[in-house]
Amino acid sequence: GQNIDQPTEMTATEGAIVQINCTYQTSGFNGLFWYQQHAGEAPTFLSYNVLDGLEEKGRFSSFLSRSKGYSYLLLKELQMKDSASYLCAVRHQTGANNLFFGTGTRLTVIP
Amino acid sequence: DTGVSQDPRHKITKRGQNVTFRCDPISEHNRLYWYRQTLGQGPEFLTYFQNEAQLEKSRLLSDRFSAERPKGSFSTLEIQRTEQGDSAMYLCASSPSGASTDTQYFGPGTRLTVL
Repeated sequence: GQNIDQPTEMTATEGAIVQINCTYQTSGFNGLFWYQQHAGEAPTFLSYNVLDGLEEKGRFSSFLSRSKGYSYLLLKELQMKDSASYLCAVRHQTGANNLFFGTGTRLTVIP
Repeated sequence: DTGVSQDPRHKITKRGQNVTFRCDPISEHNRLYWYRQTLGQGPEFLTYFQNEAQLEKSRLLSDRFSAERPKGSFSTLEIQRTEQGDSAMYLCASSPSGASTDTQYFGPGTRLTVL
């Protein structure tokens, strides 16, 4: 079966750095994705990891350790517009390559 | 705007009615996915198409649900005899192919409310 755990809510201050953790158990791992979702809107792609290590993309970085079933998303220089839900998703190693999502972490950025 | 469009954006219906949603993927993408998302949860996979072929269905997709992608372009998702438990956001996503680096791009979703 599959299981993804991430914190339900986090609060951070504008200009600060925040790390959102994600742990997963899955049969057949084929990559880990992070999506951002503002309320009432579609998830938008942030980052992708398939090998261990850190992927950096501007203010956003994502880390993966496959042996530990662990990933984190790091957001730097937080802005008010970063207030959103952040979804961790594992891609199945099947023909569909569909994504299995966690429940998401709702981040609130305060002044 | 990811380039994936869905119609309608909102649908309110009475229990027992049938509803149909449409998704237009990014034009060069041959893979199309349907997901369902309820409040406070992440999206859950329903089904996927490679071109016009529906190749996988989740056990969440009961026999009241049917999806088509007749010409390998747009797709429709129909729910027959809707139930209150069907109330959710229905998301469509597309990707170029099944390559390991492929990203799924989501549409804005159709929010269904069953009264």
